[in-house]
Amino acid sequence: DIQMTQSPASLSASLEEIVTITCQASQDIGNWLSWYQQKPGKSPQLLIYGATSLADGVPSRFSGSRSGTQYSLKISRLQVEDIGIYYCLQAYSAPPTFGGGTKLELK
Amino acid sequence: QVQLKESGPGLVQPSQTLSLTCTVSGFSLTSNSVHWVRQPPGKGLEWVGAIWSGGSTDYNSALKSRLSISRDTSKSQVFLKMNSLQTEDTAIYFCTSYYYDGSFDYWGQGVMVTVSS
Repeated sequence: DIQMTQSPASLSASLEEIVTITCQASQDIGNWLSWYQQKPGKSPQLLIYGATSLADGVPSRFSGSRSGTQYSLKISRLQVEDIGIYYCLQAYSAPPTFGGGTKLELK
Repeated sequence: QVQLKESGPGLVQPSQTLSLTCTVSGFSLTSNSVHWVRQPPGKGLEWVGAIWSGGSTDYNSALKSRLSISRDTSKSQVFLKMNSLQTEDTAIYFCTSYYYDGSFDYWGQGVMVTVSS
């Protein structure tokens, strides 16, 4: 199975700050990488698909990038509503595997 | 408008069988696949299995011997059955639709399943 190593596990940031979360794939997964936000008591919501494409309705302060087998999610100006847990997912090969999650909190 | 909704018992006894239903609307099960993902309390997301648009299935290898996913396309329903339940199977179970690029674009609200006597 492909391992997705997500970091950091937790992150405390201030409003308007730039936040970056990364996922390292254990092998090449091309652009088969997506990012999800989960708020307490809610189901995950798709933010980024194809490593860099913004899902419908997602604010433009979210962006995704790729460098080799390392993938990053960037929030350009942190807002209160961005607080939650973020997960990456690879679907290049079965089984699909999630990163361990990053809990984002306000400082 | 795409919607998915899980239903099933909230409490299952150890060693018994879990039966969940995912009812979808806004798309056809013969055009899009549906996956199951679970989340133990306070933990991360784990892929459980899938039924593809053609009707074939894939399962998490750790659960494969206990798991079955099927569907009724006329009712737009996907079924998950897992036998020999253990306390470690306690989790929120989500069904989600799969987009061709490998992302899960729509999710159900989830159903909490507790395995306890």
